[in-house]
Amino acid sequence: QKEVEQNSGPLSVPEGAIASLNCTYSDRGSQSFFWYRQYSGKSPELIMFIYSNGDKEDGRFTAQLNKASQYVSLLIRDSQPSDSATYLCAVKDFGNEKLTFGTGTRLTIIP
Amino acid sequence: EAQVTQNPRYLITVTGKKLTVTCSQNMNHEYMSWYRQDPGLGLRQIYYSMNVEVTDKGDVPEGYKVSRKEKRNFPLILESPSPNQTSLYFCASSRDQRTDTQYFGPGTRLTVL
Repeated sequence: QKEVEQNSGPLSVPEGAIASLNCTYSDRGSQSFFWYRQYSGKSPELIMFIYSNGDKEDGRFTAQLNKASQYVSLLIRDSQPSDSATYLCAVKDFGNEKLTFGTGTRLTIIP
Repeated sequence: EAQVTQNPRYLITVTGKKLTVTCSQNMNHEYMSWYRQDPGLGLRQIYYSMNVEVTDKGDVPEGYKVSRKEKRNFPLILESPSPNQTSLYFCASSRDQRTDTQYFGPGTRLTVL
């Protein structure tokens, strides 16, 4: 059974600081990695995907992937109160649609 | 507007009474999935479909059925609901298999008494 592990938090970060969210996965065959954001009572929305080792930047968000260590992270620079949400890590094997989510990390940005 | 719709949004029912939760997308996506979300367990995939008439089990398929007769619709059927199926259900669709930008519906909160 594929596992995706995240620290459930809550993670509290001051406004303007960098928030660092971490995720580990058990299946070395995983090919695609995703970060979703979910506000309370709402549906998840995709922030970023990454499938190559290294960093991928999109605005204030940077995803980092290390396949050797089976580790993926999300950095949020210049954190804003609107970033307060639960962040879900998900992994997928290429060639099928089975997507496995972690339980999520609850992030709170303190003004 | 590109969207995934689910109906109903809220449902309270009793054990054993068959129900269907509908899901429809207007983006001509090939891939559709159903998830359930429970506190402490996160999002778990129930079933997914890679195209019309092509469906496969996710991680928690027991007690559920799906069908994909049309590209836009992917209903979730509970033939005999039980209290352990009380949960928040999400339907999702995506176009690209690798990058998998999944668009989630608004969710259906189901309570089985």
